[in-house]
Amino acid sequence: AQSVTQLDSQVPVFEEAPVELRCNYSSSVSVYLFWYVQYPNQGLQLLLKYLSGSTLVKGINGFEAEFNKSQTSFHLRKPSVHISDTAEYFCAVRNPTSGTYKYIFGTGTRLKVLA
Amino acid sequence: SAVISQKPSRDICQRGTSLTIQCQVDSQVTMMFWYRQQPGQSLTLIATANQGSEATYESGFVIDKFPISRPNLTFSTLTVSNMSPEDSSIYLCSVGGFSYNEQFFGPGTRLTVL
Repeated sequence: AQSVTQLDSQVPVFEEAPVELRCNYSSSVSVYLFWYVQYPNQGLQLLLKYLSGSTLVKGINGFEAEFNKSQTSFHLRKPSVHISDTAEYFCAVRNPTSGTYKYIFGTGTRLKVLA
Repeated sequence: SAVISQKPSRDICQRGTSLTIQCQVDSQVTMMFWYRQQPGQSLTLIATANQGSEATYESGFVIDKFPISRPNLTFSTLTVSNMSPEDSSIYLCSVGGFSYNEQFFGPGTRLTVL
């Protein structure tokens, strides 16, 4: 079975500062990893995903994440945040060999960008 | 990508009643998924709905409580039956992208049960 841990429930950061949102996962098999963003009163939108290959993944809106297999982490980063980045961010995993299309989500990190 | 709409966007219901949530996709898809997002918690998969067959429910979710219909390849409904305040959540439907290596989500239905 897989699980996802997002250690920070809330992250306040000033505008134009860098940010890192942490995600750790647990799995006995290789998994696919995802970051989703949920703006207020909206559904989830895919930011980026890691399936294979380069461990540094670039996504939309200037976000990137690095897959670290030894530390079972997939932290999300942005070098300079904007007010518009204020949202909830979810890390998720999927086992591509499970025979299902089930995603396991973390509990989310609320990013609040301060002026 | 897929564009997904849900109705209603929000509702306030009395305990003991039922609510049916509709999910419409702008393209034909084989599988549709229903998730629950309880306040302050993560998304949890309720069931997978295939057109023409019974939905597959995850552990902890039963058909009597969350009946699902999937009459065609672009539409699905989820009913929350005999509601209690513990059912207050956001309910989201989603569909898979190519090889299901990403999912597209609807805007959600915010349900409050009094």
